[in-house]
Formats: sequence, structure tokens, C-alpha cells
Amino acid sequence: DAGVIQSPRHEVTEMGQEVTLRCKPISGHDYLFWYRQTMMRGLELLIYFNNNVPIDDSGMPEDRFSAKMPNASFSTLKIQPSEPRDSAVYFCASDSGQGNEKLFFGSGTQLSVL
Amino acid sequence: QKEVEQNSGPLSVPEGAIASLNCTYSDRGSQSFFWYRQYSGKSPELIMSIYSNGDKEDGRFTAQLNKASQYVSLLIRDSQPSDSATYLCAVNPTGGFKTIFGAGTRLFVKA
Repeated sequence: DAGVIQSPRHEVTEMGQEVTLRCKPISGHDYLFWYRQTMMRGLELLIYFNNNVPIDDSGMPEDRFSAKMPNASFSTLKIQPSEPRDSAVYFCASDSGQGNEKLFFGSGTQLSVL
Repeated sequence: QKEVEQNSGPLSVPEGAIASLNCTYSDRGSQSFFWYRQYSGKSPELIMSIYSNGDKEDGRFTAQLNKASQYVSLLIRDSQPSDSATYLCAVNPTGGFKTIFGAGTRLFVKA
């Protein structure tokens, strides 16, 4: 398996623009997580899905952030409009849900909002 | 109070020494505990999981859990320069499947 695949690896955009981050989880994994990592706040859980259904979105910072999982092999995290404080590394992770609770992380998307 | 707290470091140890990393958590009902390693510019990877009180050993790594004190630690024996990384403590709080991470401790192993 290729692991969790995220795109793009790097995104540079201007304040006010819409940003869409993409994630393909490991095939067969029932859980998908979106995390954001910054020096100041560490690794923060934004939202997670089980079988394509959002379970907990309490970490989503505000209405500018939205996440979808239209099918088992694809998820998006959208920021509209983007702001400089959204600059961070965004990780997607998946879990098989088989009980060992091991997260497999993608390579992350480095987002810079100018 | 943060849900998972770690000393951010950096922690510096000489090659061959034991590195000791510590973590406390706030949810007393938490059942699952993890240590992830993150190299600079890379994504976190799981190195240890522990679910019951006591010690769990895997090669040079030992995880220790004390639920009464809400304390988790990771010992790295015979530290190598390749162990230099940020170590993230992670906890699954009561009743949920989500994993909450501490801020991480940066470890430097000097050759």
C-alpha cells in the first residue's frame, strides 16, 4: 500500500484566497483524521471521520474551515477565506479501526498564507 | 490545563546514555497511550503504545504508565544520534476514538 497520500505538499497563497487540501487514506481504514501543526500550538486535531461520517469537529477553529469525505478513499479540508494565521503544516492520518489505534500519517501539506 | 503536557526541551544526552521523556495527561479515564517520533520536516510515526500500568519494552525503548499519577514516560536506552527527533506523547481520552497529542519534547543525542 502507498500509505496516506496528501496533496499538495506545499501551498503558498495570498490572504483571502480559498485553499483546498486533499487526502487519500490507506485502503480499508475506517477512520480519517485532519491535524494541524504549528510551533506555538503543536499538533491539534481538527476533525475526524468514521466510515465517511464526521464524528467530532470540535477542533475546527472557525467557520472558515470545512472538511468533507465524499467516499472512503478521499477527503478534503477547505479554508475559505484563508488568513496568515492559518499558516501551518496540515496532516491527514488514517486508522484501521481494528483496535490498535495506530495512526498512519501522510507527508503533510505545508501551507503558507501571505 | 492542557489535556496532554510535555516538557518541550530540548533534552540533550550523550551517545550511549539513557534518555528519559515524560508526559502527564488530564483525563483520568484515558485508556490508550502512545509515543510518536517525528524527525524534522517529516510526519509523526508510532514507536510505542501502552494500555496498562507498568512497563512495556520494545528493543531499546521502554514505555511506562502510571494511571494513578496520570503519568506516561519513554526511556530510550543506548541513545544514538539517529534518535535525535521530537517525541510526541499521545492519549485517547475517555469514550472517544480521537488521539490528542502533547506539544512534544525535542531530543538531541550528541555523538
